[in-house]
Formats: sequence, C-alpha cells, structure tokens
Amino acid sequence: QQQVKQSPQSLIVQKGGISIINCAYENTAFDYFPWYQQFPGKGPALLIAIRPDVSEKKEGRFTISFNKSAKQFSLHIMDSQPGDSATYFCAPGDFGNEKLTFGTGTRLTIIP
Amino acid sequence: SAVISQKPSRDICQRGTSLTIQCQVDSQVTMMFWYRQQPGQSLTLIATANQGSEATYESGFVIDKFPISRPNLTFSTLTVSNMSPEDSSIYLCSVGYRGQGKNIQYFGAGTRLSVL
Repeated sequence: QQQVKQSPQSLIVQKGGISIINCAYENTAFDYFPWYQQFPGKGPALLIAIRPDVSEKKEGRFTISFNKSAKQFSLHIMDSQPGDSATYFCAPGDFGNEKLTFGTGTRLTIIP
Repeated sequence: SAVISQKPSRDICQRGTSLTIQCQVDSQVTMMFWYRQQPGQSLTLIATANQGSEATYESGFVIDKFPISRPNLTFSTLTVSNMSPEDSSIYLCSVGYRGQGKNIQYFGAGTRLSVL
C-alpha cells in the first residue's frame, strides 16, 4: 500500500512558467519532508527539504510549502527551465533514522 | 557529500542465476540502503544495512532472495538470487547522512538488470 502519493503524475510547463507538484502522506510520525530530483540514468539527488517547524522554505527558484494539518507538502519551481526536466519524488521520513518513503513520482517536462 | 560507485552499471542475466551488485562509498557511513526501481516508477526500499549487524528487510523482501553483506563502513553488496524476469529492474544503493539540519541520502547511479 502506497503511503505517499504525488500529483500530478506528469506535468508539462512552458519555459519561464511555474511548476507545482503536490505530495500527500498518511503517516503523522513523519517529521522531515524532502524533495528529490532524478535525471535519466542517475540516482535521485536531494533538491530541497523542510522540517515541520516552518510552513515554507525557499532556496533559489525552488520553494517548499508545508501544510501539517492537511498532511501535504508541495514543490514550486519558479521560472522553470528546460534543465529542470526530470522526475521529482517527495520522500517524507523520520529525521532521526534516515529512512525515507518515496512518493509515486512526477515527470516534469519544460518546453521552450 | 558522498560519492557512490555501483558496479556493474548494467547486466543481462539468465533465469536461475545470481548477480552480486557492489556499492562503494568514498567515506565511512553508518547506514546504507538498497532500493529497487522499475523504469519510470518510484523507489521501493529493499533493506537497510548497518555495518556489523544483519540487514533489516522491508515487507516483501527476504534474505534468501536478496542477501546483503556489509563488511565495513565503505562497502556493501546486494545479491539477487535465483533470478526470474520479474527481477528485471534498476537496483540502487544509497547512504544516509545527517548533519547541518539535513537528513540526506546520496545515491549511486544504479545497476540496470535485465533477466531473460
């Protein structure tokens, strides 16, 4: 049973636009909420992460928004670029034990 | 950060044989993880391997099918035993690092396995 669901499954955005990916989880014990980015033929790499003590975190063009009551968090990519085309995974977990639960994934394509 | 090397990068194997995948890290780490990923799909955790102890397997994965070794703090192997076409997948190792307010997993590039 998949505990972490992402939407949409795939997303096409024009260059310069805003890409938004959502993640819904069930386990209320999760206290760490990262997003990973994966390019074809590569392993995932950490993009940005948030702890539950804040509702939003921004790093460059990437922003995480966290809604604890709704058990959801989202990734916003501003000024999307063709180099952002990749598969994105949310991977919430327990900060204390390094174990993560990967979401279903979202394939993002940025078109010129 | 950590640099992870996986070998082989890909292989084609016959049904009923076994393949051992190696994972080498450029620094000492406590926890290593093994995942399976179908192309275009999510990552499923197979097991967690701590040095000096038996690996902990997730539901649906057993040691007889996926034996893991962790002889030291920089190396681990995953064996896929008695393979069938259903084992065709990408196998990834990762290491966990906690520090500076972050909990990061660094991944190898994966081993793409095809079973005929």
